[in-house]
Amino acid sequence: NAGVTQTPKFRILKIGQSMTLQCAQDMNHNYMYWYRQDPGMGLKLIYYSVGAGITDKGEVPNGYNVSRSTTEDFPLRLELAAPSQTSVYFCASSYSTGEYNYGYTFGSGTRLTVV
Amino acid sequence: KNEVEQSPQNLTAQEGEFITINCSYSVGISALHWLQQHPGGGIVSLFMLSSGKKKHGRLIATINIQEKHSSLHITASHPRDSAVYICAVRFRFGNEKLTFGTGTRLTIIP
Repeated sequence: NAGVTQTPKFRILKIGQSMTLQCAQDMNHNYMYWYRQDPGMGLKLIYYSVGAGITDKGEVPNGYNVSRSTTEDFPLRLELAAPSQTSVYFCASSYSTGEYNYGYTFGSGTRLTVV
Repeated sequence: KNEVEQSPQNLTAQEGEFITINCSYSVGISALHWLQQHPGGGIVSLFMLSSGKKKHGRLIATINIQEKHSSLHITASHPRDSAVYICAVRFRFGNEKLTFGTGTRLTIIP
């Protein structure tokens, strides 16, 4: 199993450019998440999804958009990149029945620099 | 406010030492996770626990629900254990979202 696959691993963007961070999982997990990790800070939730067609904002959604058209894929879109979006981005997934969560799997991260 | 605090922030030890990393949280939880992140690497889940104690190799995780506290122990530490260890909790009324501590950077010197 590949688990959670994120692409690209590294990217440099100019201010005002747009890009999409890709995330795919092959474990049939219903939940998917996007987090950002800034130096000295805990991971912060950007957006999450409880299943195909359903997404919701996390703690720090401004400047980002997501979609979940399939169970497997959960891309994160950055519009009009700003230096404040320089960070390491992690995608994660989990399977939950509502009563029990079976644990989380994380991708390897995307290191994004906006200059 | 739902918060997670870890200590220490940084820890340097000699190879072979017994390591303890602590995590405390503010309100009731459904589960607590210990995660490992190597420099420049991804995040790997080590343990998920909601009560008692779990052991995997040289790693032991314990949780005290009444005191809202968890510890991660490493026995016979080795340089390859050098990493950032992150505590994350799923609060009881937090849906399926995790709240993360800021991590403990562990360096084991040969």
